[in-house]
Amino acid sequence: QGQLVESGGGVVQPGRSLRLSCAASGFSFRGSVMHWVRQAPGKGLEWVAVISHDGQNIYYVESAKGRFTISRDNSQNTLFLQMDYLRSEDTAIYYCVKDQSSGWYDLGSFDSWGQGTLVTVSS
Amino acid sequence: DIQLTQSPPSLSATVGDRVTITCRASQSTANSVNWYQQTPGKAPKLLIFGTSTLQRGVSSRFSGSASGTDFTLTINYVQPEDFATYYCQLIYSPPYTFGQGTRLE
Repeated sequence: QGQLVESGGGVVQPGRSLRLSCAASGFSFRGSVMHWVRQAPGKGLEWVAVISHDGQNIYYVESAKGRFTISRDNSQNTLFLQMDYLRSEDTAIYYCVKDQSSGWYDLGSFDSWGQGTLVTVSS
Repeated sequence: DIQLTQSPPSLSATVGDRVTITCRASQSTANSVNWYQQTPGKAPKLLIFGTSTLQRGVSSRFSGSASGTDFTLTINYVQPEDFATYYCQLIYSPPYTFGQGTRLE
């Protein structure tokens, strides 16, 4: 099911920006729907965003709309999450996730996960 | 958006037990549910998709079912490696809501 490796996490002040990257290998990245899912320390899972294989279809969780931007570079097998106007409640481990679906239908089954990258928003 | 209420928050079991975890949807839904297992410090692992289909490589001790707005994960003959946190998740349309999690201990 391939490998996903996130990077770009760190400590950032409220209101600042951070860009996460996810390098994919071992599967057809350009043919895959990709997601970001996050998990606050000691808390449950929260889906953040999804992008279609060609980048034409994108959805966000309500709290991310207008602040986060998901994108992809299929030539580099890389997924991105640009996070602006960060808040303390955005503190979490961010996972890059591959959807099991082979098309833009029956989405939401996450069959491959990265190890996660920790984002801490604090002054 | 449909909400999922997962119960119980924690569950004590002994090796060999049969345990059941339930997720209740806030309204009737045509969506299905997935189940994930997460051990400390690790990413979640997909166990069951589409309410009752076992993911490849997952033990047949795990099974999923649904009745009305209730979705159930059953683990037969609990093994030491099964002690983890389990999450249900609504699928097919955003925001792919997760349940709050059940810690099996």
